[in-house]
Amino acid sequence: AQSVAQPEDQVNVAEGNPLTVKCTYSVSGNPYLFWYVQYPNRGLQFLLKYITGDNLVKGSYGFEAEFNKSQTSFHLKKPSALVSDSALYFCAVSSQGTGGFKTIFGAGTRLFVKA
Amino acid sequence: ETGVTQTPRHLVMGMTNKKSLKCEQHLGHNAMYWYKQSAKKPLELMFVYNFKEQTENNSVPSRFSPECPNSSHLFLHLHTLQPEDSALYLCASSQDSWNILIYGYTFGSGTRLTVV
Repeated sequence: AQSVAQPEDQVNVAEGNPLTVKCTYSVSGNPYLFWYVQYPNRGLQFLLKYITGDNLVKGSYGFEAEFNKSQTSFHLKKPSALVSDSALYFCAVSSQGTGGFKTIFGAGTRLFVKA
Repeated sequence: ETGVTQTPRHLVMGMTNKKSLKCEQHLGHNAMYWYKQSAKKPLELMFVYNFKEQTENNSVPSRFSPECPNSSHLFLHLHTLQPEDSALYLCASSQDSWNILIYGYTFGSGTRLTVV
């Protein structure tokens, strides 16, 4: 069975500082990993994904994530945080089943960027 | 707007009421999903429809009943709910359930449900 863990309920960072939001996963077979962001009163929006290839993937709004197979991690990073980055971030893993791909989301990590 | 519209945005219902949540997309997608979002819990996949056929029922209690009359519309019928069913219910769509890796999901803004 596949699972996703986001060990931190909340991450606090000062504007301009680098940020990291952690994610670890468990899946049988190839991992297909995603990050989504949710702003208040909105649905989830796609940020980036890892399917195959380069372990460092770049996404929207300056975010990037590093796939680490040995540590089964897919941490989200940004070199310089903005106040507008404050939101709820979800890590997700997809795997193939009989009816198509099934995606499991983590519990989310709330990012708070202070001016 | 993402192209996935959910109504109503907010719903308060008693435990004996019957209500329905509606989701509509005009993106030409063929798969639609219901997710339940509760605070500090993983998003729970409830139901999946692919080309109008239900392909996933993730052990959801029968007080939740989905309906997918066509590829553009998805309903979640609610009856005799419990207070612990209070949550944000998210609808999502995708090209289909096989091309997720390429096209991903489009989510609606959700219906905030409160059961009193």
